[in-house]
Amino acid sequence: NAGVTQTPKFQVLKTGQSMTLQCAQDMNHEYMSWYRQDPGMGLRLIHYSVGAGITDQGEVPNGYNVSRSTTEDFPLRLLSAAPSQTSVYFCASSQTGLHQPQHFGDGTRLSIL
Amino acid sequence: SQQGEEDPQALSIQEGENATMNCSYKTSINNLQWYRQNSGRGLVHLILIRSNEREKHSGRLRVTLDTSKKSSSLLITASRAADTASYFCATDEDYKLSFGAGTTVTVRA
Repeated sequence: NAGVTQTPKFQVLKTGQSMTLQCAQDMNHEYMSWYRQDPGMGLRLIHYSVGAGITDQGEVPNGYNVSRSTTEDFPLRLLSAAPSQTSVYFCASSQTGLHQPQHFGDGTRLSIL
Repeated sequence: SQQGEEDPQALSIQEGENATMNCSYKTSINNLQWYRQNSGRGLVHLILIRSNEREKHSGRLRVTLDTSKKSSSLLITASRAADTASYFCATDEDYKLSFGAGTTVTVRA
């Protein structure tokens, strides 16, 4: 029972590069979300999805894109990496929405040089 | 913006002691959740308490909610070394869960 799987676990990028952070869940959850965690700031919502084909912006969406072509996968794309995007990124899922317990992956630690 | 704010920021206790941390929030909520995060790992859900509930228990965890004061507390009884972690409260705010900056708990052997 894998739960929420995030890849890669670590990544170093140069400014201006693009990359995709992968997130997959095997619990048939409808609701998926991406957060970034920065020291002293808690988690901030980047994008979320309430089901396949539906995505919406969170609190800090600039510089990020998402898509949800299947229930299982919710990739996060950095379009042109900037040092301000150095952070730990977490993907989470729940049965139907934010009023339920969220299941988190173990994160991707991203450094932008 | 952070809806939930945990207090204290850090807490160090001896094994076997109780640990209490508090969460304050600003706007009305449907529910409040507590999560634990071990170093280098993702968040793990501990307890969800609804706005019409005042207290909830799960094993050695006890959560209270006072909607009139817009505050919640998490009590960990008989702490163990494995309880060393950061603890976060999260409240539902419109379309998102709003997390505080967390309380870091260190349990000394």
